[in-house]
Amino acid sequence: SAVISQKPSRDICQRGTSLTIQCQVDSQVTMMFWYRQQPGQSLTLIATANQGSEATYESGFVIDKFPISRPNLTFSTLTVSNMSPEDSSIYLCSVEEGGHEQFFGPGTRLTVL
Amino acid sequence: AQSVTQLGSHVSVSEGALVLLRCNYSSSVPPYLFWYVQYPNQGLQLLLKYTTGATLVKGINGFEAEFKKSETSFHLTKPSAHMSDAAEYFCAVSDRWRGNTPLVFGKGTRLSVIA
Repeated sequence: SAVISQKPSRDICQRGTSLTIQCQVDSQVTMMFWYRQQPGQSLTLIATANQGSEATYESGFVIDKFPISRPNLTFSTLTVSNMSPEDSSIYLCSVEEGGHEQFFGPGTRLTVL
Repeated sequence: AQSVTQLGSHVSVSEGALVLLRCNYSSSVPPYLFWYVQYPNQGLQLLLKYTTGATLVKGINGFEAEFKKSETSFHLTKPSAHMSDAAEYFCAVSDRWRGNTPLVFGKGTRLSVIA
């Protein structure tokens, strides 16, 4: 099974600033997914990142706010831009391996003051 | 579009009692079905999944779930709850016919276990 790491594990940021979250996978994967989990809520898909092409964003999420990079088959970053307290969430990346099974990173817990 | 409904945002059971967490999906074609668990301040861990074959699937930590096509359900059960089972449980689905598709999650059910 894929092993996924995320950096940072948590951060406290000031409003108006930006934070870049890194996701590293121990194997090459085609797609990587970024989810947001707001406090006490379920997971919502932000975007799907395919290596070598622009990320595909879900309704309600835009590239200017959540730019994503996918420079190779094992790495992706998500930036949360111009943050507000409403962006306080856990951000998780995931990948799919054989059998439609998705593996999740440990998440990045973001608090915006 | 697929959707997942988890009945009951919070379920409380006594230690040793049966755990039943409900999940229904809406899809004309049965999707792949998953249950994930999230312990406090931790990431998501896969409990079990149904893709094909036997409709009763067994997972980790004594959990099992049964796929019932006629009821579009995939309820999670455990015969005897332990204190360590207290966590958030998410039912999720993915498209059966396309690989590398994101999961659609239910809203989650918080399980409390009372001593």
